[in-house]
Order: sequence, then C-alpha cells, then structure tokens
Amino acid sequence: SQQGEEDPQALSIQEGENATMNCSYKTSINNLQWYRQNSGRGLVHLILIRSNEREKHSGRLRVTLDTSKKSSSLLITASRAADTASYFCAGGTSYGKLTFGQGTILTVHP
Amino acid sequence: SAVISQKPSRDICQRGTSLTIQCQVDSQVTMMFWYRQQPGQSLTLIATANQGSEATYESGFVIDKFPISRPNLTFSTLTVSNMSPEDSSIYLCSANLRGRDGYTFGSGTRLTVV
Repeated sequence: SQQGEEDPQALSIQEGENATMNCSYKTSINNLQWYRQNSGRGLVHLILIRSNEREKHSGRLRVTLDTSKKSSSLLITASRAADTASYFCAGGTSYGKLTFGQGTILTVHP
Repeated sequence: SAVISQKPSRDICQRGTSLTIQCQVDSQVTMMFWYRQQPGQSLTLIATANQGSEATYESGFVIDKFPISRPNLTFSTLTVSNMSPEDSSIYLCSANLRGRDGYTFGSGTRLTVV
C-alpha cells in the first residue's frame, strides 16, 4: 500500500517561480526521502531528511519534516524548465524499505 | 560514480510468456529491491532480495509469479511469469550504495504485454 498522499497531484508554474509539494505519511519512518522521475524512467534521489531533523537544504531544494503531523514538504526555488518531472516522497524504515507517495507532476513553463 | 545497470530497457511480450529482468550493481550491496510502477501510478515494492537467501515478498506479490534470483552481492534478476496485459508496467530495481544517502535506481524496464 502507498505511504500516503502527495499534493498537489499536478503543479504548473512559470520558470523562476518556486514550487512547493507536500507529502503526508501514515506509518512510522526512520527517514523521509524525495525522488525525481523523468518520463517514466529511473528515479533520482534528491534529498533525505532523518526523523530527528526538521529542515534540510541542498542547492535549490528545501525539505521540511513534521513528525507530529506526519508530513513533509519539498520546495524548489527559482524553478527551471529542466525541473519538469514527477516528484515522489518515500518513507524509509531502518530495514531499508521505501514506501512511496502518489507523486506530484511538476511542469515548469519557459 | 556507482551505478545500477538494468536491462532490457523495454520489451513487448506475448501473454502467457515470461520475461527476466537483470540488474547489475557496480559495487557490492547487501539488499536489492524490486519495484513495480503501473501506468500513471507510483512505485510499489515487490520484494527485497538478499544474497544467499530467498527473497522477501510484499503483500500481493508471490514467488511463483515474480521469482527472484540473487546469486551474488552485485547482481539480481526478477522474472515476470505467465504474463497478462495487467503486468504491463515499469519494473525497477534499486539498492543503497555505500556512502550515499537514499537509494540508487536502475533505469527501469518498460514492459508491455499484448
């Protein structure tokens, strides 16, 4: 079964704008990860935040984690057309299993 | 950088036949994971493959339908058996490579069953 919901399901923005995607999860996690997928190909790991962390940055990415609300958000700042892809959150356990959210399709218009 | 090579990248198969998907990791890993991504959907874990032991299957997936081999620490195969059109999906392998946050994925196998 899927970990939870992501919203929005689809997001369309202009280049230069910020994109925010949200993820909620249901079960206990060791970490929360975000992945990107281009055109149904393999996934690329973007960022991992551990359950004892609240915020993390990597380049133009900012991820937050609220374990009390079982939710996370991914912010992409100053988006580019090349950021167009599907974005998935995934809850990770200490055993290595990932449970993925439904995903957000991001379209960035030049 | 370490990669996972997955093949075939795509295939069109007749119903009732089987397809074996291969994943080769360029470093040793303890566990490898196999996922299915149905059209327009997210990823669902099929099974976890450990070297030297039987794979552990998730609810809804059985060994007879998705036999997995893990002969060494760098290689695994997933077979989709007795295929039907409902098996049309992207199948992906992944592993946690040493020194990396997160998981590395193969490029996926897009399977179409006709």
